[in-house]
Amino acid sequence: DAGVIQSPRHEVTEMGQEVTLRCKPISGHDYLFWYRQTMMRGLELLIYFNNNVPIDDSGMPEDRFPAKMPNASFSTLKIQPSEPRDSAVYFCATASGSPNQPQHFGDGTRLSIL
Amino acid sequence: QQPVQSPQAVILREGEDAVINCSSSKALYSVHWYRQKHGEAPVFLMILLKGGEQKGHEKISASFNEKKQQSSLYLTASQLSYSGTYFCGTERAGSARQLTFGSGTQLTVLP
Repeated sequence: DAGVIQSPRHEVTEMGQEVTLRCKPISGHDYLFWYRQTMMRGLELLIYFNNNVPIDDSGMPEDRFPAKMPNASFSTLKIQPSEPRDSAVYFCATASGSPNQPQHFGDGTRLSIL
Repeated sequence: QQPVQSPQAVILREGEDAVINCSSSKALYSVHWYRQKHGEAPVFLMILLKGGEQKGHEKISASFNEKKQQSSLYLTASQLSYSGTYFCGTERAGSARQLTFGSGTQLTVLP
């Protein structure tokens, strides 16, 4: 099992640029979660999907963060346009539908907006 | 609402014990515990599903008091490898696997 795969691992870009974060879930996992982690705010849930359908995006800070899951094997989180305050580590996690199973985290994308 | 973890930080000597607490104001279905080392992803430790249930993982165990919406993580005879930040994630009934994470407890084990 390859685990949750995120890309890129690191991204440095200038303010105003569009950023695309990618996630490949573990095969067979029905749930996919996007988190943002900062020192100030900790680990925050941004949005999550069940069977490719967005269920709750109340954690999204603003409309600049469109997230999509076009199929069961791929999800993207875009930031457009990016701002320095978006600098954080973004994690993707996936889980099966069984209640006694954990969320599995990818290695994260460390994003720096200059 | 974010669960409350205590203490925020703890420093131990190798071989000492520690307890990390997690408390929620909402009725919980389960509590998940993770450990995160600096620069790495959170790693799953254990899930507590039933009230009063205690689980173990090596020398790390946990309990869940469903009535009080509280969980505690017990680390006994700590090892250097236990250093890291511990997070509890709480799942409410009907929240479809959604977790809300506490702010974390930073554990440092010294030789």
